[in-house]
Amino acid sequence: AQRVTQPEKLLSVFKGAPVELKCNYSYSGSPELFWYVQYSRQRLQLLLRHISRESIKGFTADLNKGETSFHLKKPFAQEEDSAMYYCALSVSNFGNEKLTFGTGTRLTIIP
Amino acid sequence: GAGVSQSPRYKVAKRGQDVALRCDPISGHVSLFWYQQALGQGPEFLTYFQNEAQLDKSGLPSDRFFAERPEGSVSTLKIQRTQQEDSAVYLCASSLGRLGTSRLEQFFGPGTRLTVL
Repeated sequence: AQRVTQPEKLLSVFKGAPVELKCNYSYSGSPELFWYVQYSRQRLQLLLRHISRESIKGFTADLNKGETSFHLKKPFAQEEDSAMYYCALSVSNFGNEKLTFGTGTRLTIIP
Repeated sequence: GAGVSQSPRYKVAKRGQDVALRCDPISGHVSLFWYQQALGQGPEFLTYFQNEAQLDKSGLPSDRFFAERPEGSVSTLKIQRTQQEDSAVYLCASSLGRLGTSRLEQFFGPGTRLTVL
């Protein structure tokens, strides 16, 4: 069975400093990896996914199959980045793209 | 357009009561998912529908949990004889479910917070 691990429950970073949220996964095949974000009093929303290889709000994430990691990075943190971040994995099975989530990391940007 | 909506947003139930949670997916979305999120945890998959067909219910924790989507749009998650361990936020998500650039993106509702006393 697949598993997603986010080792940090809480992460505090000063504004302007680099941010890295760690995510490791276990799955023997080729999964799709995602980062979802939940801002205060808002619903869970997709931040980025590895297949699109794009940068959203300055965040990037590279899938490292050798290390089975999908860490989320941003070079300069902004106050509006404070939120709950979830790494998730999907194994597409005839349209059933159910997500397996990590436990999440609460990111706080210190002004 | 409107996103995924869920009702009620909050539900308090006495242990042993039955509850029904509703999800209105985005119009035209084929796939619908239910997740359970306990306090301090990430969402955990419960069940998946493709149109009206429930194709995966492997995540339902017990036979007290039942979900339906009879016309392929609105879905209801029912929990019978609620227990304290059922207290959680229940999230609904929908996706296009068809090949395309957004094939894999799931759009989440605001969730229903269930508290069982």
